[in-house]
Amino acid sequence: GQNIDQPTEMTATEGAIVQINCTYQTSGFNGLFWYQQHAGEAPTFLSYNVLDGLEEKGRFSSFLSRSKGYSYLLLKELQMKDSASYLCAVIDSNYQLIWGAGTKLIIKP
Amino acid sequence: GAVVSQHPSRVICKSGTSVKIECRSLDFQATTMFWYRQFPKQSLMLMATSNEGSKATYEQGVEKDKFLINHASLTLSTLTVTSAHPEDSSFYICSAYSGDRSYEQYFGPGTRLTVT
Repeated sequence: GQNIDQPTEMTATEGAIVQINCTYQTSGFNGLFWYQQHAGEAPTFLSYNVLDGLEEKGRFSSFLSRSKGYSYLLLKELQMKDSASYLCAVIDSNYQLIWGAGTKLIIKP
Repeated sequence: GAVVSQHPSRVICKSGTSVKIECRSLDFQATTMFWYRQFPKQSLMLMATSNEGSKATYEQGVEKDKFLINHASLTLSTLTVTSAHPEDSSFYICSAYSGDRSYEQYFGPGTRLTVT
């Protein structure tokens, strides 16, 4: 079956750095997305990785290792507004988006 | 660019009535639109995938006669929840895909449905 694993919840301190991991086992791979979702709102796009390596975009970076079926989202200089759920999603061989359950990130002052 | 709207944002209806939710891509043509449902503290659950001009493909366990999807144009898809019941209360989110190689789905703001 298809499976995406990410931690249920993480806590970090304002100004610090946090890494949210995602491992996947899917039938084929055509890319991996990270989305941010605040409570009661729809997801918003953060990043898309299809090749191995690190993609940096401001305070957020996303890493992919296809051979390991692994990705992480790195958030630097954490701000209170970063408190949200972070969803990892993989496009499989049928070009269907497979979603992880999301990681709830709690930022403390 | 790539804005998707949903209407209404919130709706309360009585049990047994039907509710229609609209999803529009405002500045691009969406070859494919997706409908998701999200229960509190859970991840997105794909309900169905629809391509313009063809019948929607429903995920296992989703009743196609209860959740009617119409994708009449490249910018509009509708989801009708027929004979709604309290257990249908949820957050319904649509997304649209333009068909480009990034595979990114652009999400609407969601519709909060409460069935009393």
